[in-house]
Amino acid sequence: AQSVTQLDSHVSVSEGTPVLLRCNYSSSYSPSLFWYVQHPNKGLQLLLKYTSAATLVKGINGFEAEFKKSETSFHLTKPSAHMSDAAEYFCVVTWAPPGGGNKLTFGTGTQLKVEL
Amino acid sequence: SAVISQKPSRDICQRGTSLTIQCQVDSQVTMMFWYRQQPGQSLTLIATANQGSEATYESGFVIDKFPISRPNLTFSTLTVSNMSPEDSSIYLCSVGDHRAGEQYFGPGTRLTVT
Repeated sequence: AQSVTQLDSHVSVSEGTPVLLRCNYSSSYSPSLFWYVQHPNKGLQLLLKYTSAATLVKGINGFEAEFKKSETSFHLTKPSAHMSDAAEYFCVVTWAPPGGGNKLTFGTGTQLKVEL
Repeated sequence: SAVISQKPSRDICQRGTSLTIQCQVDSQVTMMFWYRQQPGQSLTLIATANQGSEATYESGFVIDKFPISRPNLTFSTLTVSNMSPEDSSIYLCSVGDHRAGEQYFGPGTRLTVT
């Protein structure tokens, strides 16, 4: 079975300081992992993805994530937070059911708050 | 990536009624997905819709409550039937990229049932 655990439901940082959003996964297969962001009253946007290529993945808006198989982790980081980063972030694992296609399993989300 | 639109963007409905949500994609896609996001919670997959076949529902979701149509490769509808306040959620459709595995999401339909 595939699952993701987001270790923090809320994270608060000051503008200009680093961001760390933690995610651990469980997968019976080599997983594909994603981070999505959801701004208030807006749809989900793909931030970045890991699909078994480079373990350090760079995404949009200065975010990056590192796949660590030994730790079953895929934490999201950004060196310097901006006010516009305030949003809900979802860690997601994808898997292929026997009938074909790809299904996503979402984590419970981390609400990022950025303060002046 | 794909551009996805949904109608309506939001609605307020009375209990016992039904609402049909439309999802339009700007390119032909094989698989479309419908999700529910209850207030303050994560996304849960309702069903997968392939063109020309019956939708496949996840555990806890049934066709009588959430009938889905998929008449062509760019369009799908989800109906929320006999609504109750517990159906108040954001409903999102998405399409998948088989090569890369990720999905692209529509803006969602915010449903409030009174």
